[in-house]
Amino acid sequence: SQTIHQWPATLVQPVGSPLSLECTVEGTSNPNLYWYRQAAGRGLQLLFYSVGIGQISSEVPQNLSASRPQDRQFILSSKKLLLSDSGFYLCAWSRGEHYEQYFGPGTRLTVT
Amino acid sequence: AQSVTQLDSQVPVFEEAPVELRCNYSSSVSVYLFWYVQYPNQGLQLLLKYLSGSTLVKGINGFEAEFNKSQTSFHLRKPSVHISDTAEYFCAVYNQGGKLIFGQGTELSVKP
Repeated sequence: SQTIHQWPATLVQPVGSPLSLECTVEGTSNPNLYWYRQAAGRGLQLLFYSVGIGQISSEVPQNLSASRPQDRQFILSSKKLLLSDSGFYLCAWSRGEHYEQYFGPGTRLTVT
Repeated sequence: AQSVTQLDSQVPVFEEAPVELRCNYSSSVSVYLFWYVQYPNQGLQLLLKYLSGSTLVKGINGFEAEFNKSQTSFHLRKPSVHISDTAEYFCAVYNQGGKLIFGQGTELSVKP
């Protein structure tokens, strides 16, 4: 069966510090991968998605970036965090020929 | 572009009562629809999906949804809710390019 991991589970970072969140998927190959952000009291905002290694599409221009160095690894980064980057970050995967997405447990980021 | 509207941001209900969470989508030739549940500080879990076939779809935890093409709706129902059903519920529609478009969510609060 497939599982998706995210770490860390929670993170408190000062404004201006760098960020690296990691997501890995087990039990499948060549998944589509997604990064979402969920701000308090709001829905899901798609940030990035990837259909293969090194292939990243950005949905919203901002100070975040994503990379996919391996088939089942997806990383969300920032060089300098802003207060507005606080939120709940969710990673998800899907099979190329299927439509539904499966979500990880999320990372709660608080920028102080 | 596809869009999803969840008509109620909050739905309070007493335990063992029936509940309906409403979802409307923008019309398209092919429609693939989903309901997800999110418990506090967790990722999203797939409740059910409509891809084709029977318009009444049964999911996990006793939930079901009915696809109504003429009314462009995909409402989620449960005949008798439990305290443990308290969570945020998201309706989503598949968009071209492997992406899901999510509604803003409905907070279901089950009271004893």
